[in-house]
Amino acid sequence: DAKTTQPTSMDCAEGRAANLPCNHSTISGNEYVYWYRQIHSQGPQYIIHGLKNNETNEMASLIITEDRKSSTLILPHATLRDTAVYYCIVRVYNDYKLSFGAGTTVTVRA
Amino acid sequence: DTGVSQNPRHKITKRGQNVTFRCDPISEHNRLYWYRQTLGQGPEFLTYFQNEAQLEKSRLLSDRFSAERPKGSFSTLEIQRTEQGDSAMYLCATGDGDFGPGTRLLVL
Repeated sequence: DAKTTQPTSMDCAEGRAANLPCNHSTISGNEYVYWYRQIHSQGPQYIIHGLKNNETNEMASLIITEDRKSSTLILPHATLRDTAVYYCIVRVYNDYKLSFGAGTTVTVRA
Repeated sequence: DTGVSQNPRHKITKRGQNVTFRCDPISEHNRLYWYRQTLGQGPEFLTYFQNEAQLEKSRLLSDRFSAERPKGSFSTLEIQRTEQGDSAMYLCATGDGDFGPGTRLLVL
């Protein structure tokens, strides 16, 4: 069973920041927070991951609360190509037996 | 582009037929994972390999399913006597978390 809770869907205006929340209140000390996205009819694509510090890469930023019970994925300037299902997953590092939930369907509108 | 190829990308078959899918990671990986994804759901773990050895199988993997990784590189997933409920996207992933594009199966 998935260990995370995400909103079912959200809309975002093109060019604006998209903030995707995720609750993972039962996360263990050795579990990382990973984010993937899946564009229609494609395989899941890795976005970013973190343990307890905030992380940023060319795709997104990840903000993890101090108690690690929740996190937010930030897409700084959403484009139409960012329309996808976004999955928040917690897992032990290097264990790719991933437990996906239903994710958040993000629709970026022009 | 993903570092994993899967073939075929689409397969339509009649109920009762056997089908086989193939997963080819571009580079060497000790671990290889198979997932199944039905419409509107996230991917679900099926099984994984450590080199040639199949180390874990999900309860979703019925007796009609068999997976192999004979040389520790590519892997195949076979479904015998397909049923309409087998219609899904079948995904494989490497130990780096790199997913292939999937094979979409439709059983008529």
